[in-house]
Amino acid sequence: DGGITQSPKYLFRKEGQNVTLSCEQNLNHDAMYWYRQDPGQGLRLIYYSQIVNDFQKGDIAEGYSVSREKKESFPLTVTSAQKNPTAFYLCASSMGTELNEQFFGPGTRLTVL
Amino acid sequence: QKEVEQDPGPLSVPEGAIVSLNCTYSNSAFQYFMWYRQYSRKGPELLMYTYSSGNKEDGRFTAQVDKSSKYISLFIRDSQPSDSATYLCAHPAGGYQKVTFGTGTKLQVIP
Repeated sequence: DGGITQSPKYLFRKEGQNVTLSCEQNLNHDAMYWYRQDPGQGLRLIYYSQIVNDFQKGDIAEGYSVSREKKESFPLTVTSAQKNPTAFYLCASSMGTELNEQFFGPGTRLTVL
Repeated sequence: QKEVEQDPGPLSVPEGAIVSLNCTYSNSAFQYFMWYRQYSRKGPELLMYTYSSGNKEDGRFTAQVDKSSKYISLFIRDSQPSDSATYLCAHPAGGYQKVTFGTGTKLQVIP
């Protein structure tokens, strides 16, 4: 079955640690995205990538980093510079058409202890 | 002003009621509008989309765009407990590679 997988489902981090969230897709989509979701704030774009080895900052990129070495994979690193990292993180991919339908993974809930 | 604004709710209705979910948008150049549904602790999924203005119907769901008032609506007829979810309006922006989402309205349909 085609789809997007994210791991882990739950992640706990101590303050000052970097953590990496995994996102893999087998939909053969060119574009991939990372969103952060907080209560009352909807989905906010962190980073997005249209092709391999290229990515752009979204609206809230500070404290995050990404890489796109393979078409299928778009890992997100939450660094210690991110002041309030506790949130629900969603990865998505799309074919990049005009409608740009986003196909989402199941999400990773990150909690900073 | 946010590009897309949405009442966060929560909205609680009895089973069988007609539900109206609404968004407003600021940019009159927007051509496409979408509604995503997100169940608790899951990723959103596309429910419906519509172009420009007018209505689009899919089963119990109707999406409506009023360009004169910059208003987007999603109507759910004969609501079911399985419709309980958060509904997010959205539109493509920034050269079709970015999508802007509303904050979402949480709906609960009570049996």
